Amino acid sequence: DAKTTQPTSMDCAEGRAANLPCNHSTISGNEYVYWYRQIHSQGPQYIIHGLKNNETNEMASLIITEDRKSSTLILPHATLRDTAVYYCIVRVGNDMRFGAGTRLTVKP
Amino acid sequence: EPEVTQTPSHQVTQMGQEVILRCVPISNHLYFYWYRQILGQKVEFLVSFYNNEISEKSEIFDDQFSVERPDGSNFTLKIRSTKLEDSAMYFCASSEAGWAGTGSYEQYFGPGTRLTVT
Repeated sequence: DAKTTQPTSMDCAEGRAANLPCNHSTISGNEYVYWYRQIHSQGPQYIIHGLKNNETNEMASLIITEDRKSSTLILPHATLRDTAVYYCIVRVGNDMRFGAGTRLTVKP
Repeated sequence: EPEVTQTPSHQVTQMGQEVILRCVPISNHLYFYWYRQILGQKVEFLVSFYNNEISEKSEIFDDQFSVERPDGSNFTLKIRSTKLEDSAMYFCASSEAGWAGTGSYEQYFGPGTRLTVT
């Protein structure tokens, strides 16, 4: 499985967009990029996923570079409740391989 | 909105005892999973289950562990002869379908069971 690299932590001001980067330079053609988040010790929460095209849903947008070697998760208007650990996962197969993720802190 | 539920929320057991963790997946989902997270560490995949059999398992999922779908709604993880290092959050997840090569389905996680082995 392709390995992902994410910053350990990031801060964001409440109401501003949070842009969380992820590098996955060894991704192969059939691997999807998934984003999950985990608030405190709750179960991971699905956010969004994509293969090649940019994706948007009610929670976030996912921007994948043309060469697919990196992606960015965008939370358009971060709130205090978006404070969590965000995981970028490159997936092929049924097992989700979680890394250490990015701890996003949204500040008032 | 349908949710994965897990019981109990917290289980305390003595070393050497057997525990059963229970999960009710989302009703129309066909694939089921168990993950664990030791305090302060990463979420780790244990096993996936489909059509009443294990489809994938990690190196963590050894003979100490077993899974079962005893009826149409429950999905259980049994841990035999628990050890101190089994203390962790155990998360159940389910998905509508599994990895299909040409598409994929997101997994929805339950709130977890905190297992404490003393």
